[in-house]
Amino acid sequence: DADVTQTPRNRITKTGKRIMLECSQTKGHDRMYWYRQDPGLGLRLIYYSFDVKDINKGEISDGYSVSRQAQAKFSLSLESAIPNQTALYFCATSPRPSYNTQYFGPGTRLTVL
Amino acid sequence: QKEVEQNSGPLSVPEGAIASLNCTYSDRVSQSFFWYRQYSGKSPELIMSIYSNGDKEDGRFTAQLNKASQYVSLLIRDSQPSDSATYLCAVIGDDKIIFGKGTRLHILP
Repeated sequence: DADVTQTPRNRITKTGKRIMLECSQTKGHDRMYWYRQDPGLGLRLIYYSFDVKDINKGEISDGYSVSRQAQAKFSLSLESAIPNQTALYFCATSPRPSYNTQYFGPGTRLTVL
Repeated sequence: QKEVEQNSGPLSVPEGAIASLNCTYSDRVSQSFFWYRQYSGKSPELIMSIYSNGDKEDGRFTAQLNKASQYVSLLIRDSQPSDSATYLCAVIGDDKIIFGKGTRLHILP
């Protein structure tokens, strides 16, 4: 079984819909991250969480929210999806210390029409 | 705005030759440096990390760090077709991680 899983793997939705992307990990890592990847723009950090009670905004948090339900689960929500949120979304985990090696999930391809 | 710069490529290298990938960063307090490989449609995977000036070798891969000049490079010796991928440079400083946009490497058979 994969150590970092993401659901769904692909999603097509319409403008204005609420979307939740879920991430689960069995690596036992404290730290979890959400990134988006766009062609020509690389990987950009949306939110990160160093433990269940510690959530921080990344480079591009506007339009997104997160929930760390447990050490192993970190969800990303788009409250009202817009077309420029069409991207490939990755969840990642890392052990302490800060950031260290990041282990990425398989990604979720989201299309907002 | 802290930045990590990479040439987007594609960088074409004959099979068996040395591929050289470069990355520059703007934040002088950066402390940790990583190279990730990403195959098309897949997630990034770590191939090298380096924390101090100089060279670090792991198999066919060598990472080089020069903090004074603010650059980090990755050398791939005896390049193989399976090395064809996008290589992402990541830099950590001031408790922030920033990824470069990646360099596409194409190994010519």
